[in-house]
Amino acid sequence: KNEVEQSPQNLTAQEGEFITINCSYSVGISALHWLQQHPGGGIVSLFMLSSGKKKHGRLIATINIQEKHSSLHITASHPRDSAVYICAVHNFGNEKLTFGTGTRLTIIP
Amino acid sequence: DAMVIQNPRYQVTQFGKPVTLSCSQTLNHNVMYWYQQKSSQAPKLLFHYYDKDFNNEADTPDNFQSRRPNTSFCFLDIRSPGLGDAAMYLCATSRDWSDTQYFGPGTRLTVL
Repeated sequence: KNEVEQSPQNLTAQEGEFITINCSYSVGISALHWLQQHPGGGIVSLFMLSSGKKKHGRLIATINIQEKHSSLHITASHPRDSAVYICAVHNFGNEKLTFGTGTRLTIIP
Repeated sequence: DAMVIQNPRYQVTQFGKPVTLSCSQTLNHNVMYWYQQKSSQAPKLLFHYYDKDFNNEADTPDNFQSRRPNTSFCFLDIRSPGLGDAAMYLCATSRDWSDTQYFGPGTRLTVL
């Protein structure tokens, strides 16, 4: 069973700060997902990664397969970025996602 | 241009009164998933379909059933809701295994 851990669990920052959320997993994977969930809302898929780095607007996701680690970065953070960010992995040969515990991000104006 | 639609968004039911939640998709994806998410917890997979092939998670209670009459629609039936079934129910779709999952907005179920 893959163990997916995220850090920090909670993060509060000022508007404009550079944000980093980390995810580590214990067993090799076929893909890693970063998801965003606003309070009371559904989940939005931000990135799916199997190697390297992806960028979308102010969001950047990186993955290091050898170290079994991924990071999600937010540049020039804004209050609307306040949400729970969830890391989830697909294990090889398993169609199910294993979810991390989530990181609650609050950006203060 | 909503892609994964869930109805209703909020559902209130009484203890033991059957309820049906619906999900529809315009993406023509092969895979549809139902998740249960309780407060401050990660989503928990209840079932998934690959086309019409149904996969039930081992720890999904018998109280939960699902139907997928066609590619576009999937239903979650809770035969006798208990207080512990109050949660957000999320539907998701993906083109294939290990592809990006697209989530609906969720249905928040309250059991009185």
